[in-house]
Amino acid sequence: DAGVIQSPRHEVTEMGQEVTLRCKPISGHDYLFWYRQTMMRGLELLIYFNNNVPIDDSGMPEDRFSAKMPNASFSTLKIQPSEPRDSAVYFCASSLGAQVYGYTFGSGTRLTVV
Amino acid sequence: GQQLNQSPQSMFIQEGEDVSMNCTSSSIFNTWLWYKQEPGEGPVLLIALYKAGELTSNGRLTAQFGITRKDSFLNISASIPSDVGIYFCAGTPNRDDKIIFGKGTRLHILP
Repeated sequence: DAGVIQSPRHEVTEMGQEVTLRCKPISGHDYLFWYRQTMMRGLELLIYFNNNVPIDDSGMPEDRFSAKMPNASFSTLKIQPSEPRDSAVYFCASSLGAQVYGYTFGSGTRLTVV
Repeated sequence: GQQLNQSPQSMFIQEGEDVSMNCTSSSIFNTWLWYKQEPGEGPVLLIALYKAGELTSNGRLTAQFGITRKDSFLNISASIPSDVGIYFCAGTPNRDDKIIFGKGTRLHILP
């Protein structure tokens, strides 16, 4: 089991550029979550999917953020245009069935917008 | 929205000491989870608790689901350098709800 795979691990981009973060969940998991982590705000849930369908996107900061899950094995989080305040570590996590059993997190993408 | 309060925010302890941290909520939770995050990695699930009063161990780690259902505790015995990291409590008010995370307790171990 390769776990949740995120790419890239690090991304440095200039303000105004488009950024795309990628995630491959654990095979067979039917829930996928995108989180953002900063020192000030901790772990924030941005959006989650169940069976590839977005269920709750109330945590998405603003229209510059969008997420898609075209199939069960791939999801993207896109920021366009990026701003310095978007700098954070972005985590993808997946789970099987009821969420009470916990999520498996990827290693994260550290995004720096300069 | 619902929040979890973790304390302390940061701890500095000597290697070999026992550690205790806790987490409280303003409302009843039906599940409590404890995660550990090491530098450069995502959080990893340590212990899951599903019943009020439940006490569960994982090696040197022991966690308890508070009887009031509004709190949980994590204890680490005989700390070692690899225990360094951020410990998050998390939980769900109902089994179908998304997991809510605390802000974490950052553990530092002095040689």
